[in-house]
Amino acid sequence: AQSVTQLDSHVSVSEGTPVLLRCNYSSSYSPSLFWYVQHPNKGLQLLLKYTSAATLVKGINGFEAEFKKSETSFHLTKPSAHMSDAAEYFCVVSTNRGSTLGRLYFGRGTQLTVWP
Amino acid sequence: DAGVIQSPRHEVTEMGQEVTLRCKPISGHNSLFWYRQTMMRGLELLIYFNNNVPIDDSGMPEDRFSAKMPNASFSTLKIQPSEPRDSAVYFCAASQGQLNSALHFGNGTRLTVT
Repeated sequence: AQSVTQLDSHVSVSEGTPVLLRCNYSSSYSPSLFWYVQHPNKGLQLLLKYTSAATLVKGINGFEAEFKKSETSFHLTKPSAHMSDAAEYFCVVSTNRGSTLGRLYFGRGTQLTVWP
Repeated sequence: DAGVIQSPRHEVTEMGQEVTLRCKPISGHNSLFWYRQTMMRGLELLIYFNNNVPIDDSGMPEDRFSAKMPNASFSTLKIQPSEPRDSAVYFCAASQGQLNSALHFGNGTRLTVT
């Protein structure tokens, strides 16, 4: 079975401090993993994706995520938060085999607040 | 490229009325998805099409919901009759249909049923 757990529904940081958004996944097959960001009144936008190449993935706006198979984690990080990073972030898993081939499973989202 | 275009951006209607949401996907992206987002249930997949053919509609809540994709450049999601519990933001998304393809989302339609 496939599922995604975002461990924090809300994260608050001060501008200029590091960001850590946590994600754990469960997948019966080799997964593809994504992080999306959603700004208010907008659709979701792809930040980055992991597709079994390098385990450290760099995305847009200075974000990166590391795939750790032993921990079934795909946490999103950024060294220094900016006010414009305030948004909701979704971790997503896609299966590469089986009856649910290609289907996406979304986490419940983490709301990131950035304080000045 | 204009991206995925949804219309209308906002829809307010009375219970019992028919509602039609529209989506124009990105040219060349042969998979199209309809999602619903609410505070209570998060983001839910309603239905998705590949090459204009419905592949998985198991997420469609009930018979009041129907979706069509008559051609590669247009899709509709219809609710008839609408109910207050249908109030949500409905997103259309497109991808190139490969296993690791990213989804490109429209800006959504905010539906309010009174």
